[in-house]
Amino acid sequence: NAGVMQNPRHLVRRRGQEARLRCSPMKGHSHVYWYRQLPEEGLKFMVYLQKENIIDESGMPKERFSAEFPKEGPSILRIQQVVRGDSAAYFCASSPLSPSGELFFGEGSRLTVL
Amino acid sequence: KNQVEQSPQSLIILEGKNCTLQCNYTVSPFSNLRWYKQDTGRGPVSLTIMTFSENTKSNGRYTATLDADTKQSSLHITASQLSDSASYICVVTLNYGGSQGNLIFGKGTKLSVKP
Repeated sequence: NAGVMQNPRHLVRRRGQEARLRCSPMKGHSHVYWYRQLPEEGLKFMVYLQKENIIDESGMPKERFSAEFPKEGPSILRIQQVVRGDSAAYFCASSPLSPSGELFFGEGSRLTVL
Repeated sequence: KNQVEQSPQSLIILEGKNCTLQCNYTVSPFSNLRWYKQDTGRGPVSLTIMTFSENTKSNGRYTATLDADTKQSSLHITASQLSDSASYICVVTLNYGGSQGNLIFGKGTKLSVKP
């Protein structure tokens, strides 16, 4: 049973380009969370999704950021027109039941904006 | 304001020694408290998860304690090993009845174990 899979592990983009980060949750998990971590900082909640639904996007910047978790395929975090401040590690986590249950993290995708 | 504060920010100990990391929180209503270990460049891995009624929980050389009255938790590491070098993150879950992004993360304690 593979863990939470994120790709790419490393992504370099120039300012103004788009970044797409993918997350495949653990088998049987229908809850997906995205977090952002800046160097030497804690993880910050961005968005919580279930299949085909955004449950809570209160941590997501209002512009340029979007997330989806389609019926088939991985969850995608999309950042349009990236800026240097978007450089960070983006972690995906999944859980089988409610958020009060065990949470499993992927290894993260590290975005560098030049 | 719901916050999780961890101390110390960083800690250096010698291999074989014990250490204790602290977590104070002001999160309410409280559901559970978790400790995660995050190696450099890796994703967090769960060590323990405790509900309101649990005072202590062990996972090998890691023992977490919880005092829900004072809203404090500690993570005690016994007989430290070089592989314990990592950031240890305290996470408190708000009790919102099972929805939304209700996990409050501390900034972590960076532990370095030296030979």
